[in-house]
Amino acid sequence: DADVTQTPRNRITKTGKRIMLECSQTKGHDRMYWYRQDPGLGLRLIYYSFDVKDINKGEISDGYSVSRQAQAKFSLSLESAIPNQTALYFCATSGQGAIGEQYFGPGTRLTVT
Amino acid sequence: ILNVEQSPQSLHVQEGDSTNFTCSFPSSNFYALHWYRWETAKSPEALFVMTLNGDEKKKGRISATLNTKEGYSYLYIKGSQPEDSATYLCALTNSGYALNFGKGTSLLVTP
Repeated sequence: DADVTQTPRNRITKTGKRIMLECSQTKGHDRMYWYRQDPGLGLRLIYYSFDVKDINKGEISDGYSVSRQAQAKFSLSLESAIPNQTALYFCATSGQGAIGEQYFGPGTRLTVT
Repeated sequence: ILNVEQSPQSLHVQEGDSTNFTCSFPSSNFYALHWYRWETAKSPEALFVMTLNGDEKKKGRISATLNTKEGYSYLYIKGSQPEDSATYLCALTNSGYALNFGKGTSLLVTP
């Protein structure tokens, strides 16, 4: 089984709808991250969490919220989806320390029409 | 947010060619530099993490070097193979421990 899973893998939704993307990990890591990838822009950090009680905004947090329900679960919500949130979303985890490598989930492709 | 620049944006080489690409970053506030490999339809996977000026890492035909004083890292692929085709991402860790990614170099190796 994959160490980092994301659901759903693909989602099409309409403008204005609320949508939640879920991430679970079995690596026992404290740190979890949400990124979005847009063509030509690379991976950009949306939110990150260093433990259940620690949530931090990333580079592009506007229009998003997160919930860290447990050490193993980190959800990303789009409160009112808009078309420019169409992107590939990745969840990642890492262990302690600044140099720990990040382990990525398979990604969720979200389309907002 | 740290500005991480990667060049070239894309590269097309023939099987057997050796190639290299560059990651540039501000030399101040350096903590660690990561290289990731990202194949189409898959997740990014870590290749190397480097922290010290002069660090060199190697994994098979792929190696990387780090110069923190001048703010760059090179990734080298010796004898490229079609399975090396991927996007190679460079990322910096700042004091907040979150990764700042460059836009990547897309490598295509044709037989």
